[in-house]
Amino acid sequence: QSALTQPPSVSGSPGQSVTISCTGTSSDVGNYNRVSWYQQSPGTAPKLMIYEVSNRLSGVPDRFSGSKSGNTASLTISGLQAEDEAGYYCSSYTTSSTVIFGGGTKLTVL
Amino acid sequence: VQLVESGGGLVQPGGSLRLSCAVSGFSFSGYYMDWVRQAPGKGLEWVGRSRNKDHNYITEYAASVKGRFTISRDDSKNSLYLQVNSLTTDDTAVYYCVKVKGGTVASLDLWGQGTLVTVSS
Repeated sequence: QSALTQPPSVSGSPGQSVTISCTGTSSDVGNYNRVSWYQQSPGTAPKLMIYEVSNRLSGVPDRFSGSKSGNTASLTISGLQAEDEAGYYCSSYTTSSTVIFGGGTKLTVL
Repeated sequence: VQLVESGGGLVQPGGSLRLSCAVSGFSFSGYYMDWVRQAPGKGLEWVGRSRNKDHNYITEYAASVKGRFTISRDDSKNSLYLQVNSLTTDDTAVYYCVKVKGGTVASLDLWGQGTLVTVSS
């Protein structure tokens, strides 16, 4: 099973909004509301930010929001801050009872 | 709350290792636990899962490791294990022990710091 498709990179200026897409198939993203988003800074373990499409983990700023339409999920970060610069990964449950990740997106805050 | 992996290192192609994950700070026995790996400079790859006792400790694996990797757990020791066999250079990665958020099947809410496995001759 191929990885979910994410753009390799996105960028935005402080205060702006950016959206990262995550495209799968009807066997994963399209079949379940079980999409998660993770933030990873260099040299550190990933951190869960959003789960089950749009639920923020406790402590995650409400600048982070998730959504889904069909086979594509999205993570939107509004009011960009320098500290948001990191790698972002989506994941989804699959009909094979496995978990699949996206290839990752590097967010640059200009 | 801590997940501490150990057991990584340098191993020759075809070799084996047993990775361990010691857990503290939450009720380990009640949760599904996963292994996720990340090759140097690459993205995340789900390796497999151990369900909890209520779900008969069922294990599930990614296609890329099925038949070569085995996940087990010892609830009495709050520990998760990953036996990795028939290693190839493609298995070189940091291996993370990860807790699955309760009530979900695909939200990985607590991660260890990872242990590096390097497969090289």
